Amino acid sequence: QVQLQESGPGLVKPSETLSLTCTVSGGSIRSINYYWIWIRQPPEKGLEWIGSIYHSGSTYYNPSLKSRITISVDTSKNQFSLQMSSVTAADTAVYYCASPYCSGSNCYDGWFDPWGQGTLVTVSS
Amino acid sequence: EIVMTQSPATLSVSPGERATLSCRASQSVSSNLAWYQQKPGQAPRLLIYGASTRATGIPARFSGSGSGTEFTLTISSLQSEDFGVYSCQQYLNWPPEWTFGQGTKVEIK
Repeated sequence: QVQLQESGPGLVKPSETLSLTCTVSGGSIRSINYYWIWIRQPPEKGLEWIGSIYHSGSTYYNPSLKSRITISVDTSKNQFSLQMSSVTAADTAVYYCASPYCSGSNCYDGWFDPWGQGTLVTVSS
Repeated sequence: EIVMTQSPATLSVSPGERATLSCRASQSVSSNLAWYQQKPGQAPRLLIYGASTRATGIPARFSGSGSGTEFTLTISSLQSEDFGVYSCQQYLNWPPEWTFGQGTKVEIK
């Protein structure tokens, strides 16, 4: 069973860059040829797709965030990462990474499970 | 961008009763829809994908239906452990895009 763990600073100053890493264990990013994803959830609000990355490195971003985000993958470390620049208080949220859902030998591009436990990032001076 | 709208915002249901949650897409997403359950302080868990297929280990009391723009999640006989927030999510395969609804909070009456 794949497990994911987000890591990174819990506090970021306004205008700076948020950097998070998702470490995958129990399975290889390289062997699951589907989208891995970053999602966030502001306090008391719904889930928001941030962006997705294929094991090959192809990326797709939420158009509303595209100008500020970069997602990358390091298959040698079994990690994928998120960088978000010029953050404001509106970027305060719990950030999740998630794995493509696999049932037996079948995996899917559209659905995600399991997720990491999430990490709260607060943007404040 | 496809907008997902869920209703109601909050649903209070007694144990043993049926709960019906709705999700509407601003344009057709075919059957590319999933439902997630999220409990306080926890990450979401996949319940239903492809509009009607239960994920591994999900009890049969959870069922999904619909296609196009109108979808429903039904919990046939609500158990106390089913409280939480339920979110729908669509997947557009080209260009790849994922969008979530704002969630329905299910409270145990």
